[in-house]
Amino acid sequence: GAGVSQSPSNKVTEKGKDVELRCDPISGHTALYWYRQSLGQGLEFLIYFQGNSAPDKSGLPSDRFSAERTGGSVSTLTIQRTQQEDSAVYLCASSLLEGGDTQYFGPGTRLTVL
Amino acid sequence: ILNVEQSPQSLHVQEGDSTNFTCSFPSSNFYALHWYRWETAKSPEALFVMTLNGDEKKKGRISATLNTKEGYSYLYIKGSQPEDSATYLCAFIGFTGNQFYFGTGTSLTVIP
Repeated sequence: GAGVSQSPSNKVTEKGKDVELRCDPISGHTALYWYRQSLGQGLEFLIYFQGNSAPDKSGLPSDRFSAERTGGSVSTLTIQRTQQEDSAVYLCASSLLEGGDTQYFGPGTRLTVL
Repeated sequence: ILNVEQSPQSLHVQEGDSTNFTCSFPSSNFYALHWYRWETAKSPEALFVMTLNGDEKKKGRISATLNTKEGYSYLYIKGSQPEDSATYLCAFIGFTGNQFYFGTGTSLTVIP
């Protein structure tokens, strides 16, 4: 069956530009997570969506980062006025249930800010 | 910020060797612990979901144990094969069950 997909797979942008990263979760999965992995670092939690509840945005590093999830399915992570320190692999994951259920990860988007 | 530590950071073993690594996490507010395997150029893949103290899970040559009272989990690989080469991540899920706190991983290289 179809897994989690992300697009684009690679994105190179100039400092100061806005970027949008897309995640298509597995159909029927209620929970959706965004993470990033910077060079030499572990996976860093960014944001969590669960059903129709308000998202948990506690991991977003600054107000330049925002995310939305439309219709309980596709999610977009937007980074405004990108900085070089935003360069990382951005991973999306979905799970069938909330609360610690197994997460299924997408292939990630590698973002490079020049 | 929760501290989830994995050791060693990297490991090189010969094909056929057995190996193990550690994930340490807070012993309070435990909800679940996950192990994931992340091969280069692929997505992290779930290995085990562990929730009960004393839990032991097994999948083929890979097994894991859990001690929630002292805050650690061990992952064991018996008879390592080159295809086991990957980064192994553990994730601590706290009482709210909403956030996953990942360790920085153990990078395993199995030398043929």
